[in-house]
Amino acid sequence: NAGVTQTPKFQVLKTGQSMTLQCAQDMNHNSMYWYRQDPGMGLRLIYYSASEGTTDKGEVPNGYNVSRLNKREFSLRLESAAPSQTSVYFCASIRSLSAGEAFFGQGTRLTVV
Amino acid sequence: KNEVEQSPQNLTAQEGEFITINCSYSVGISALHWLQQHPGGGIVSLFMLSSGKKKHGRLIATINIQEKHSSLHITASHPRDSAVYICAETSGSRLTFGEGTQLTVNP
Repeated sequence: NAGVTQTPKFQVLKTGQSMTLQCAQDMNHNSMYWYRQDPGMGLRLIYYSASEGTTDKGEVPNGYNVSRLNKREFSLRLESAAPSQTSVYFCASIRSLSAGEAFFGQGTRLTVV
Repeated sequence: KNEVEQSPQNLTAQEGEFITINCSYSVGISALHWLQQHPGGGIVSLFMLSSGKKKHGRLIATINIQEKHSSLHITASHPRDSAVYICAETSGSRLTFGEGTQLTVNP
């Protein structure tokens, strides 16, 4: 089925460990995004990629890195996890900013202990 | 800085009531999105609009570009409509979200 595939669904890390969240879309969308969602707060933008080959910081980029591997895939890496990074992470994609609905991955619930 | 504000933050209604959720944004946008997030956490797109009005079943979304304001209406609300409703705007290269409106519809 067409859509955004995000893995893993759940992850527990120890402080200082690293991990990569994977996101792939098969809709030929140009723009892809990584967000975190914390209780009582809206989705906050971590990084985005407006098109293949470009990445930019969002509101809360500290502690994260991203890679737009190709048009389909946009990964989010935590190099040294901290408890403050405990959150639910969502990947999203959109065909173009002036047209087309946004599609979301199912989310990754990350706990850092 | 783009800001998206929603109101109310929380809304409780009785089944059958007409519901309105409001969204205001601060700068010119390319498009305005309405999304739904169910308790399970998944987020789905309801509408994308850049002008006028769209309708899908019992849901209606409107936007007033001059006033930088959009509304989501639900007619004949039902308990299954209980969810968080989120507006988001695209401006520049970003997709920026409001904090969401928690809607509870009681039978």
